Amino acid sequence: DTGVSQDPRHKITKRGQNVTFRCDPISEHNRLYWYRQTLGQGPEFLTYFQNEAQLEKSRLLSDRFSAERPKGSFSTLEIQRTEQGDSAMYLCASSPEPGNTIYFGEGSWLTVV
Amino acid sequence: QQPVQSPQAVILREGEDAVINCSSSKALYSVHWYRQKHGEAPVFLMILLKGGEQKGHDKISASFNEKKQQSSLYLTASQLSYSGTYFCGTPDRNSGGSNYKLTFGKGTLLTVNP
Repeated sequence: DTGVSQDPRHKITKRGQNVTFRCDPISEHNRLYWYRQTLGQGPEFLTYFQNEAQLEKSRLLSDRFSAERPKGSFSTLEIQRTEQGDSAMYLCASSPEPGNTIYFGEGSWLTVV
Repeated sequence: QQPVQSPQAVILREGEDAVINCSSSKALYSVHWYRQKHGEAPVFLMILLKGGEQKGHDKISASFNEKKQQSSLYLTASQLSYSGTYFCGTPDRNSGGSNYKLTFGKGTLLTVNP
């Protein structure tokens, strides 16, 4: 049983560059989430998809952030013009419908230098 | 509206018990518990959906007191593998109780020593 997979696992980028993360949810999970986690904190909700529709975005998600899930399967999270404050672990998660359990991927670590 | 976890950290010897609490200032629809080891993904432990519900998973169990707006995670006869940071997550009230938007506490760091 394949879990949620994320790529790349680690990314170091210079300030001002764009980065993109990919997430492949558990097969047949139609709900997909992005969270962000910084050191010493719990995951913070960023956005949520049901199939290909993006149903909610957190205020944490500035205009520099965009997420897509074009065919209702994998998703991408792009950060444009990265800033040092964007350094964090970006977690993708998925859940079935109906269902309550949210399964997390191993995260993509972003370091902006 | 972030749930509050206590204690922030706890150190145990193998075989000892621990309790981790999660409380909220708002009504709780459900409580989700996760464990995260350093550099790894949060791993789902259990979800409590009803007030008063109790669940168990191996020697880890949890209770949910809806009236008190809190949940407790009980770790019995701790093992080295229990080490990690434990998070509770609660759904956002505006999500109508659906579980898609969880707000997590800051976590409780549990260290189990031999």
